[in-house]
Amino acid sequence: GENVEQHPSTLSVQEGDSAVIKCTYSDSASNYFPWYKQELGKGPQLIIDIRSNVGEKKDQRIAVTLNKTAKHFSLHITETQPEDSAVYFCAASNLNNEKLTFGTGTRLTIIP
Amino acid sequence: KAGVTQTPRYLIKTRGQQVTLSCSPISGHRSVSWYQQTPGQGLQFLFEYFSETQRNKGNFPGRFSGRQFSNSRSEMNVSTLELGDSALYLCASSPGTEASSPLHFGNGTRLTVT
Repeated sequence: GENVEQHPSTLSVQEGDSAVIKCTYSDSASNYFPWYKQELGKGPQLIIDIRSNVGEKKDQRIAVTLNKTAKHFSLHITETQPEDSAVYFCAASNLNNEKLTFGTGTRLTIIP
Repeated sequence: KAGVTQTPRYLIKTRGQQVTLSCSPISGHRSVSWYQQTPGQGLQFLFEYFSETQRNKGNFPGRFSGRQFSNSRSEMNVSTLELGDSALYLCASSPGTEASSPLHFGNGTRLTVT
């Protein structure tokens, strides 16, 4: 089955700097890659996603890039703010686009 | 629209007991999935229900079971609890069954097994 690896597990960034979280996946047939943000005491919330026919997608300060050849995708957050502090999960769809496999999460801390 | 509601928020059980967790999806969502979240393991898929039928199942022992009712509300049950079952259990609903259909998570039920 699909295997998703996520790095780093923890990341501390100075406020205003950029943060990058990387994920690799194993199933070359995966075609959907969402990112979820989980704030303390809450469930994860979808923040951005990308499909395999697109190399990059941006939404204000966040962007996701996908390299299908290398089977990895990354989340980029620019001009980080304290409210960006959270746990971020990447995920990849399986062959039949039936379910998602999640990475193990990255705890991002923004240092004021 | 009201979000996904999970009850109870916290549970403390003893080894060997059983527990039932409840999830009310967003109105109109017919797909409900359950995940187990533990430190270091991320989100582990338990199962997914659609129209009262289990569509997918993760790699968990048979002690973990679930069901979905005609109003799309779902329950999961864990029998013969073990210490390792301590975790945050998350329910998510979505409007469709495809992996690309966005998941809307509840705030979870924190289960502690002593």
